[in-house]
Amino acid sequence: SYELTQPLSVSVALGQTARITCGVNSIGNKNVHWYQQKPGQAPVLVIYRDSNRPSGIPERFSGSNSGNTATLTISRAQAGDEADYYCQVWDSGTWVFGGGTKLTVL
Amino acid sequence: QVQLVQSGAEVKRPGASVKVSCKASGYTFTNYALHWVRQAPGQRLEWMGWINGGNGNTKYSQKFQDRVTITRDTSASTAYMELSSLRSEDTAVYFCTRLYGIGYYYDYWGQGTLVTVSS
Repeated sequence: SYELTQPLSVSVALGQTARITCGVNSIGNKNVHWYQQKPGQAPVLVIYRDSNRPSGIPERFSGSNSGNTATLTISRAQAGDEADYYCQVWDSGTWVFGGGTKLTVL
Repeated sequence: QVQLVQSGAEVKRPGASVKVSCKASGYTFTNYALHWVRQAPGQRLEWMGWINGGNGNTKYSQKFQDRVTITRDTSASTAYMELSSLRSEDTAVYFCTRLYGIGYYYDYWGQGTLVTVSS
C-alpha cells in the first residue's frame, strides 16, 4: 500500500519558520495537498496541488514538492498555527493521508 | 456558502450497524463527489470511500469494501455512510468531505460524527 511519511512532531519558536515534510518515493510526480486540523475540529485545506493557497489562507503558508519530499512551510509562525498537519495524495484510485505532524509553537 | 452538516453522535454495540448522514447545501449536489474519511482517537485520517453525487457510482477502500455502503438521496442533497459488523476498532470520528475533482483534494468538510462502539 502507498504510505506517506511525516515526522510525528515539529516545534518552532514564535515568529520563526516551520517546515513539515511528507515523503515517499517520487512524490514529486504527484499533486500533494495539506490540511490543518485543530483539536476537536474538521480538517481545513491550507495548500492544494503542491503550492496553491485557498482563499482565506494566509500567505505565510506555502508548499513545495520535488523528488521524494513535499514540504509545507509556515513562515512567521503564530500561536494559532498550533495544530496537526496532514499531507494527502491521490494514488491509483485511492486517497491517501500521511500520518500527521503535530506542530508546536514555542 | 457551502456547508456539510452531519448527523449526531452514535453509540453502538459490537456487531451492529451505523448509518451517518451528510446534508449538503450551498452548491449543486449532483456536480460533486462526496467522500467519507474517518479518524480513530489519536490516529491519522483514513479514506473509506466515495459516491458520485450525479450518477451514484461508488468506490470503497479495500479495507472497508465488505462492510461499508455509501448512498445518496439527491432530492435531499444528502449522502449516507453505513458501516456494518461494528467492532471496537471502529470507534472514530467519521467525516464527510467534498472532493474538488480537478485536483483530487477536499475543499469542504462536515463537522464530523463520533461513533462509539462499546459493549
